[in-house]
Amino acid sequence: EADIYQTPRYLVIGTGKKITLECSQTMGHDKMYWYQQDPGMELHLIHYSYGVNSTEKGDLSSESTVSRIRTEHFPLTLESARPSHTSQYLCASGGTGSTDTQYFGPGTRLTVL
Amino acid sequence: KNQVEQSPQSLIILEGKNCTLQCNYTVSPFSNLRWYKQDTGRGPVSLTIMTFSENTKSNGRYTATLDADTKQSSLHITASQLSDSASYICVVGDRGSTLGRLYFGRGTQLTVWP
Repeated sequence: EADIYQTPRYLVIGTGKKITLECSQTMGHDKMYWYQQDPGMELHLIHYSYGVNSTEKGDLSSESTVSRIRTEHFPLTLESARPSHTSQYLCASGGTGSTDTQYFGPGTRLTVL
Repeated sequence: KNQVEQSPQSLIILEGKNCTLQCNYTVSPFSNLRWYKQDTGRGPVSLTIMTFSENTKSNGRYTATLDADTKQSSLHITASQLSDSASYICVVGDRGSTLGRLYFGRGTQLTVWP
């Protein structure tokens, strides 16, 4: 069982609300990632971080932002949620080697009404 | 364009039977190929990771094969159990960037019936 946690697991909110999805890992990994996954579809990388104070945008354009102030913490924020943001958000972390395993959190299922 | 294609899209088998899932990829330059298991509503869990020089790797009842020349991989599940019901995702890593970007397939949805 990977030591990576996401909260909340489920979130239903109204349009225009600001939300923060939390992700924490206790494995000391430098690399962390946020993926977006719609039902039956592949995971898409939306943000990643090489370490503290490092954040980069991924392949899929996203209106969300991330921060990395501490190694273990990589929160994702949506300033103004819209129905198009409805999706599953998965956080992952991994070592620095190219073949290191990426460990995934349980995900947050976000629904914007 | 880097792509990962999986087949079949879904599969139903009886408990105790074997099955094989397929993965074709066009990711280049190739670094590694991974198989993940994703239970409904959960994050993916790593089953195997193979590099260019490896052509088979096992993890219990799961055996993955890799043919880097034809850019194909398979995941063989032996003596299936009800708990094997999940989506199995093929993931290919490239070595063209510092990040080691991963490309995900859409998964094969496996259902094991008693």
